[in-house]
Amino acid sequence: NAGVMQNPRHLVRRRGQEARLRCSPMKGHSHVYWYRQLPEEGLKFMVYLQKENIIDESGMPKERFSAEFPKEGPSILRIQQVVRGDSAAYFCASSPGRGYEAFFGQGTRLTVV
Amino acid sequence: KQEVTQIPAALSVPEGENLVLNCSFTDSAIYNLQWFRQDPGKGLTSLLLIQSSQREQTSGRLNASLDKSSGRSTLYIAASQPGDSATYLCAGDNYGQNFVFGPGTRLSVLP
Repeated sequence: NAGVMQNPRHLVRRRGQEARLRCSPMKGHSHVYWYRQLPEEGLKFMVYLQKENIIDESGMPKERFSAEFPKEGPSILRIQQVVRGDSAAYFCASSPGRGYEAFFGQGTRLTVV
Repeated sequence: KQEVTQIPAALSVPEGENLVLNCSFTDSAIYNLQWFRQDPGKGLTSLLLIQSSQREQTSGRLNASLDKSSGRSTLYIAASQPGDSATYLCAGDNYGQNFVFGPGTRLSVLP
């Protein structure tokens, strides 16, 4: 059973471009969480999704950021018109349900130049 | 609003010592408490999950306890090894809505 898979591991974008980060949860997990870790800061919750539904997006910036978890395929975190301040490590976690152990991927390190 | 703090921020010990990492949270309505390890430039590895009805969990040389009434959790590492060097994070789970992470304790175990 493969763990949570995130790709790409490293992503470089110029200011104004779009960044797409992918997360494939562990087999049997239907709950996905996205977190952001800014340099020298802790992990901050962004969004919680189940298949085809956004359950909680209270940590997501109101503009430029969006997330989806379609019926088929990975969860996608999309950042439009990236700015230097978006440079961070973005982690995805999955669990089989609420209140269960969460497992994290290796993260995508986004650098905006 | 749940807030999680961790003490100490950094810890350096000689190999073989037993040590305790502390985690405090402000909202006792926490559901689960999970401890993670993060190596530099890497993802998070789950160490222990203490579920709502439990008070402690053990895995190998690790033991974690949870006291909701006092808002505290501790991670005990026995007979520390250089390979234990990493940042240790605790996270409170508000019934699966999201995890609130502490800032971490950076541990160095010296050979």
